[in-house]
Amino acid sequence: DIQMTQSPSSLSASVGDRVTITCQASQDISKNLNWYQQKSGKAPKLLIYDAFNLETGVPSRFSGSASGTHFIFTISSLQPEDFATYYCQQYDNLPITFGQGTRLDI
Amino acid sequence: QVQLVESGGGVVQPGRSLRLSCAASRFPFSYYGLHWVRQAPGKGLEWVAVISSDGTNKYYADSVKGRFAISRDSSTNTLYLQMNSLTTEDTAVYYCARISWPAGAVAGPFDNWGQGTLVTVSS
Repeated sequence: DIQMTQSPSSLSASVGDRVTITCQASQDISKNLNWYQQKSGKAPKLLIYDAFNLETGVPSRFSGSASGTHFIFTISSLQPEDFATYYCQQYDNLPITFGQGTRLDI
Repeated sequence: QVQLVESGGGVVQPGRSLRLSCAASRFPFSYYGLHWVRQAPGKGLEWVAVISSDGTNKYYADSVKGRFAISRDSSTNTLYLQMNSLTTEDTAVYYCARISWPAGAVAGPFDNWGQGTLVTVSS
């Protein structure tokens, strides 16, 4: 199975801050990496697909990038509604695996 | 917009069975692969199973292989998860999710999710 190591597990930030979350894949997954946002008690929401593509309707302050097996998720300027937990997910091989999640406190 | 509505969760004793349903609407059901993903209380997301758009290909996480069965009914636009031999480790919110790409894919971005249904396995 492909392991996704996501960091940090939690972080505190302020409105307007730039925030970065990373995911390291245990093997090559090409660009088959997605990022989700999950708010408390709700289903996850797709933000970024295929490493750097913004899902329709998602604000442009969210972005993704990749370098080899290292993936980066960035929020350029935090908004109050961005308080949530974020997950990376690889779908290059089954079983699909998720990172452990990053809880973002504002 | 796409709608996925799970049902069938509840409290069940260890060793018993439960069947979850996911009613799909507002998209061509037979064109998309569908997944089950679960989340134990306070924990992260765990992929459970996938079924291809035509129902011929099914894959499972090792943690549920041999105990869970995924299926779909195109006449009612419903996805199912039959869960047998349940243990306390299966306690979680279960989500159904749609792959964003039609026509045969079994993996991809999950662009639509249901609201989830809670399964509690307890004596």
